[in-house]
Amino acid sequence: SQTIHQWPATLVQPVGSPLSLECTVEGTSNPNLYWYRQAAGRGLQLLFYSVGIGQISSEVPQNLSASRPQDRQFILSSKKLLLSDSGFYLCAWNGDTNTEAFFGQGTRLTVV
Amino acid sequence: SQQGEEDPQALSIQEGENATMNCSYKTSINNLQWYRQNSGRGLVHLILIRSNEREKHSGRLRVTLDTSKKSSSLLITASRAADTASYFCATDEGSARQLTFGSGTQLTVLP
Repeated sequence: SQTIHQWPATLVQPVGSPLSLECTVEGTSNPNLYWYRQAAGRGLQLLFYSVGIGQISSEVPQNLSASRPQDRQFILSSKKLLLSDSGFYLCAWNGDTNTEAFFGQGTRLTVV
Repeated sequence: SQQGEEDPQALSIQEGENATMNCSYKTSINNLQWYRQNSGRGLVHLILIRSNEREKHSGRLRVTLDTSKKSSSLLITASRAADTASYFCATDEGSARQLTFGSGTQLTVLP
């Protein structure tokens, strides 16, 4: 069965520090991968999606970047965090023929 | 940009009552999905309805889709306290099948 792992669950980082959030998927190949951010009590904002290794599409200009070094690995990064980067980050995947998406448990990022 | 938009933003009902949430979208879609999110957790897929379908059922869930009005509704019948959560609609756009989500409806079911 397919599973998705996202870590860490919580993170507190100072302003100006780097960020690396990792997401891995098991049990499937060539998934579409997504990074979303959710502000408190709000909907999900699509940050990045990837349809294959090295293929990254960005939805909004921002302080963040994403990479897909392997088929089932998706990394969200920042060189220097801003206070406004605080939020709940969710990784998700879906397949090519079935667009039901499966989500990780999320990372609560607090930039202080 | 956010495609689907749900209303109401918040809904509070008594256990046993039915809960109806609505979603509107702006462009053509291949399908529309509903998800549930418990506080501080990831989203869980509930149901998917394709653009050529008008109604779909899954247990106590009933989803309708009106492509002429670009809207969908999610009905939860005989609600339970455990149904308390946020509910989101999501639409797919184009061949990349990226999902875009609305801002959600916070449902509270009072025991």
